[in-house]
Amino acid sequence: GAVVSQHPSRVICKSGTSVKIECRSLDFQATTMFWYRQFPKKSLMLMATSNEGSKATYEQGVEKDKFLINHASLTLSTLTVTSAHPEDSSFYICSASPSGAGNEQFFGPGTRLTVL
Amino acid sequence: AQSVTQPDIHITVSEGASLELRCNYSYGATPYLFWYVQSPGQGLQLLLKYFSGDTLVQGIKGFEAEFKRSQSSFNLRKPSVHWSDAAEYFCAVGFQKLVFGTGTRLLVSP
Repeated sequence: GAVVSQHPSRVICKSGTSVKIECRSLDFQATTMFWYRQFPKKSLMLMATSNEGSKATYEQGVEKDKFLINHASLTLSTLTVTSAHPEDSSFYICSASPSGAGNEQFFGPGTRLTVL
Repeated sequence: AQSVTQPDIHITVSEGASLELRCNYSYGATPYLFWYVQSPGQGLQLLLKYFSGDTLVQGIKGFEAEFKRSQSSFNLRKPSVHWSDAAEYFCAVGFQKLVFGTGTRLLVSP
């Protein structure tokens, strides 16, 4: 139980294009989902908190117009990197917190984004 | 400011030897505490967590961690390391939002 999937697992795109990453909770409903970014040999940096049916809350320094987050249902959140540039290349990881489960987070396998 | 310190960037342990990974935190109140493991190119798997109660917590894969309030520490231990334990280990603290340490890479030598 408590499986979170991400799609795609890796994506390569050209500079200036937009990329959408999906995060799904497969066997539970998630009121809250989180998006993290992980640089090579670095820790996870929380980008934003996504609550179903409401606007995402972005961490300081994260451009909300560049990293669009949509949490349209209790099992799906999407992160769209708009007008991607090489500096956006990174490993993006989502997590989902089951409704009513307090503070437990279950992590997806991550998406490797490479912007050429 | 909230922060998590994992002072060891990498540790090498012989297979079968014991392991201790250190984690210290700075937080306004006693937060929930977590240890995660990450294999290369993969997401994070929860090893164990502490919310309250017994300060010695048992987790999966034979891992345990001890919460010491006076030291603001939550060190991870395993009595006998297996080669498959080689991975990156992250300590995290918080309530709804988690603050992660920078990770400790565990290498296991034959």
